[in-house]
Amino acid sequence: IVLTQSPAALSLSPGERATLSCTASQSVGSFLAWYQQRPGQAPRLLIYGASNRATGIPARFSGSGSGTDFTLTISSLEPEDFAVYYCQQCGTWSVSAFGGGTKVE
Amino acid sequence: QVQLQQSGPGLLKPSQTLSLTCAISGDSVSSNSPAWNWIRQSPSRGLEWLGRTYYRSNWYNEYAVSVESRITITADTSKNQFSLQLSSVTPEDTAVYYCARERSRSFDIWGPGTMVTVSS
Repeated sequence: IVLTQSPAALSLSPGERATLSCTASQSVGSFLAWYQQRPGQAPRLLIYGASNRATGIPARFSGSGSGTDFTLTISSLEPEDFAVYYCQQCGTWSVSAFGGGTKVE
Repeated sequence: QVQLQQSGPGLLKPSQTLSLTCAISGDSVSSNSPAWNWIRQSPSRGLEWLGRTYYRSNWYNEYAVSVESRITITADTSKNQFSLQLSSVTPEDTAVYYCARERSRSFDIWGPGTMVTVSS
């Protein structure tokens, strides 16, 4: 399964809304996760099961979608939210794969 | 609080075997719920899942097709850790390697990463 993220980069200002997309080449059901990666750090889980916020993740982060089309929304960007975001499919238990990332700058 | 701590060499020559270890605190490698994974990241390949080991009354391993002929992931219950071995490395294996816990089919805890460079 190939995950395609769009756009590759998103130029926004603090306080604005960010909408990131992830499209799967075939259905992954609701088995999709989103991660945030800041420079020099490991990825951090934001959303699992397409729409469930991970422990400690602020409510401004939300995920939606099922099947092949998914969206990560950041309702109002904080300065610490400028980072790279990745989606990851986990619909096929034996294989996991990541998208190419969206940089929010 | 679950933490993963990685160890292993950061510089290898082509044809050598990459060996990394991930020590677990706050959870058990033989727990029946999570799986324990290795993931790498490079500018050319992005984030690439390599494989996992997990215990469900028996030990199981699953590997990415791209490395399945060269990879071995093992668990050491006495030390509560798991390890990655990748044989016959080439410069294309240069990457940051992460260990990660998998629950609910997502990676909720990550190690800090180890930069591995393959160069003659």
